This record gives sequence, C-alpha cells and structure tokens, in this order.
Amino acid sequence: AQSVAQPEDQVNVAEGNPLTVKCTYSVSGNPYLFWYVQYPNRGLQFLLKYITGDNLVKGSYGFEAEFNKSQTSFHLKKPSALVSDSALYFCAVRDLGGNMLTFGGGTRLMVKP
Amino acid sequence: EAEVAQSPRYKITEKSQAVAFWCDPISGHATLYWYRQILGQGPELLVQFQDESVVDDSQLPKDRFSAERLKGVDSTLKIQPAELGDSAMYLCASSLAGGTGELFFGEGSRLTVL
Repeated sequence: AQSVAQPEDQVNVAEGNPLTVKCTYSVSGNPYLFWYVQYPNRGLQFLLKYITGDNLVKGSYGFEAEFNKSQTSFHLKKPSALVSDSALYFCAVRDLGGNMLTFGGGTRLMVKP
Repeated sequence: EAEVAQSPRYKITEKSQAVAFWCDPISGHATLYWYRQILGQGPELLVQFQDESVVDDSQLPKDRFSAERLKGVDSTLKIQPAELGDSAMYLCASSLAGGTGELFFGEGSRLTVL
C-alpha cells in the first residue's frame, strides 16, 4: 500500500527567508508526486507535480520541489517566504498506473513578518 | 476558469438525520472523487468514479454512506443516519482520465453533526 509522511506538523519561518516543507513517500514502482495548499475553510489547490524528468519541479506562486528517488523524498521549497504563504500544505502520491491519490497528514506553514 | 462546484458549503444536522452533498465536476473530467477531511488531518478517499462506474469504494462506510453518479456527470454523496463522528469537510475533486493528471478540488462541504 502506498503512503506519505509529512514529519513536521508545523513549520515556522520569517518572511523573506527560505522555506522547506518535508515529504517522504512509499509506493511500489515509480511514483507520481503532488503538492497541494489549503487555506482555511477552502478546498485544496494544486501547486506542482512530479511525473518524470528533471528532479527539480517548478510550480505556482514561486514554489518548487525536489524529487529524490534514493531518499524517497519530495520536499517543497521556496527561496523567499511571504506572509501570504501561511497555509496548510499536503503532499500526495499515486503509483504508476494506479488511480488512488494518497495524501499525507499535512504541514502547517506559518510565515511571520 | 472552470471549477468544481459543491453544495451546500456548510451543513449542520442532528445525529440520526439524513444529509446529502452534491458535486458538479469540471466539464469533460471523467474521474470524480469524494474525500473526507477531518479537522487537522489529510483528506481520505471515500469513493472514486470513472464516468458512472465506481472504481474504488473500499473506504466508504457502506452501512450509512452511499454515492452515485448516475449519468457520469454530477454526483451525490449521502449519509443516513449521520453520526457525531461524521463531522468533517467533504471534498469533491475531478480529473481527466489517466494517472498523471492532478485533481481539481471544490471548496468543500463542511458537516457538523450535533
């Protein structure tokens, strides 16, 4: 069975500093990996995905993520955090050829002015 | 920009009552998903449709939950009777058929069972 772990419940960072939100996954075969963001009382918004190719994936709002197959990780990064980036972030995985998208437990990002 | 529509946005009900949620996916999206998200947790898949057929409902509590997508377009998720533990956000999402596509989520329906 596939699974996703987000080891940090919350990440705190000062505005202007770089941020990293961690994600590791377990899946049989090659993974499809996704990051979503959720603002309070809203649905999830797609940020970026890794399917194949370059290990560094660029997405919406200046976010990027680095796929590391040997470490089975897909960490979300941004060079300079904004207060408006404060939200709940979810990593998700789908196995190659599979249908079900499995989400991690989420990491709350707090960016302070 | 096309969106996934869900209603109602908020629902308060008493336990043992029936409740229903509706979802209209993005036009042309063959795959439709219902997820349940308990506060502070990640979404968990309840049921997945491919057109009008159920692909996966292994996590759907079938004694009280039902879902249908009769014409392969919009979908209804029903709970009867509702229990206190059903309080959660119910998220609908859709995607193009195939494994690489991202899911597009609606705004969700927040259920509170008293």
